[in-house]
Amino acid sequence: KAGVTQTPRYLIKTRGQQVTLSCSPISGHRSVSWYQQTPGQGLQFLFEYFSETQRNKGNFPGRFSGRQFSNSRSEMNVSTLELGDSALYLCASSLYDTNTGELFFGEGSRLTVL
Amino acid sequence: SQQGEEDPQALSIQEGENATMNCSYKTSINNLQWYRQNSGRGLVHLILIRSNEREKHSGRLRVTLDTSKKSSSLLITASRAADTASYFCATAPRDSWGKLQFGAGTQVVVTP
Repeated sequence: KAGVTQTPRYLIKTRGQQVTLSCSPISGHRSVSWYQQTPGQGLQFLFEYFSETQRNKGNFPGRFSGRQFSNSRSEMNVSTLELGDSALYLCASSLYDTNTGELFFGEGSRLTVL
Repeated sequence: SQQGEEDPQALSIQEGENATMNCSYKTSINNLQWYRQNSGRGLVHLILIRSNEREKHSGRLRVTLDTSKKSSSLLITASRAADTASYFCATAPRDSWGKLQFGAGTQVVVTP
């Protein structure tokens, strides 16, 4: 079974631009969640989708958004990029949700904002 | 903000020794999970312990959970160089769907 696939793996943007990151979950997994990892703040929850519905959202500004498609693939978008958005963005999928089981993480998308 | 605190922040041991790291958290949980991350890559799930369990084993891993103290520990026995990584505890809060709250992590270095 293929793992969680995130694209692109690396990208460089400038302040003010926007970026879209993609995540393909493990086949059959319906829950997709996103995390931001930075040296200063560590791993922080962004949002979680289950069957195309956003069930939970972390404490991030409205510039951060996401969606999930009917095939469970998910995208997250960050508009009006700031230097502080430089981070490793991790996507994770699970069969149901974190209350019942583990998350399977992708390798991440490393975003650098100049 | 992060849910938990991990202790120690860094740990350096030699192959064959045991590594123990601790995690404390703040809210009621459904389960607590431990993950490993190698050098800025994705996280790999190690073990999950439910709130009604006190101890769990998986290979060289032993996890304990004390819900009265809101704390957990991860023991890696007979460490290997390949165990060099950052280890994170993560809690699944009772009142929050699909959200894991991670600790700051313990960076473990195992030298041959």
